[in-house]
Amino acid sequence: DAKTTQPTSMDCAEGRAANLPCNHSTISGNEYVYWYRQIHSQGPQYIIHGLKNNETNEMASLIITEDRKSSTLILPHATLRDTAVYYCIVLKTSYDKVIFGPGTSLSVIP
Amino acid sequence: DVKVTQSSRYLVKRTGEKVFLECVQDMDHENMFWYRQDPGLGLRLIYFSYDVKMKEKGDIPEGYSVSREKKERFSLILESASTNQTSMYLCASSPSDAGVGETQYFGPGTRLLVL
Repeated sequence: DAKTTQPTSMDCAEGRAANLPCNHSTISGNEYVYWYRQIHSQGPQYIIHGLKNNETNEMASLIITEDRKSSTLILPHATLRDTAVYYCIVLKTSYDKVIFGPGTSLSVIP
Repeated sequence: DVKVTQSSRYLVKRTGEKVFLECVQDMDHENMFWYRQDPGLGLRLIYFSYDVKMKEKGDIPEGYSVSREKKERFSLILESASTNQTSMYLCASSPSDAGVGETQYFGPGTRLLVL
């Protein structure tokens, strides 16, 4: 069973920041938070991950609360190509099986 | 960039046929995985391998087998395809965990239709 909860869907205006929340209240101390996205009919694409510090890369920023029970993925300037289902998961090691919940279906609107 | 490739994007097979799905990764990763993804059921792990010639069953191995003769290649075999194996098949790879939160990288997927 997925150990995270996310809103089912969100809309975002093109060019604006998209903020996607995720709750992981049962996360343990050695589990990382990962974000993937899946564009229709394609394989999941890794976006970013973090343990407790905020992280930023060329795709997105990840803000993790101090208690680590929730996080927010930020796409700073959403484009139409960011329309996808976004999955937040927690993993301890790189060989744990990946379990996706329903994710958040993000629609970027022109 | 990590690249995981799968031999076919779309495949149509008949019931009873033997089906081979190939996955190749170019990053010298130790771990490789086969999942299937179905609407409403999410991602389910079929088999994984953490080294050449090593394999471990995942949650739904029945009706499947795997082969890992070379580090970069992980094959999924449907011994006798059935209609309930119609699905999206996803291959993933990851390096051995180095304590820095390594992740799994996915291929583009193979949509298999069994008639």
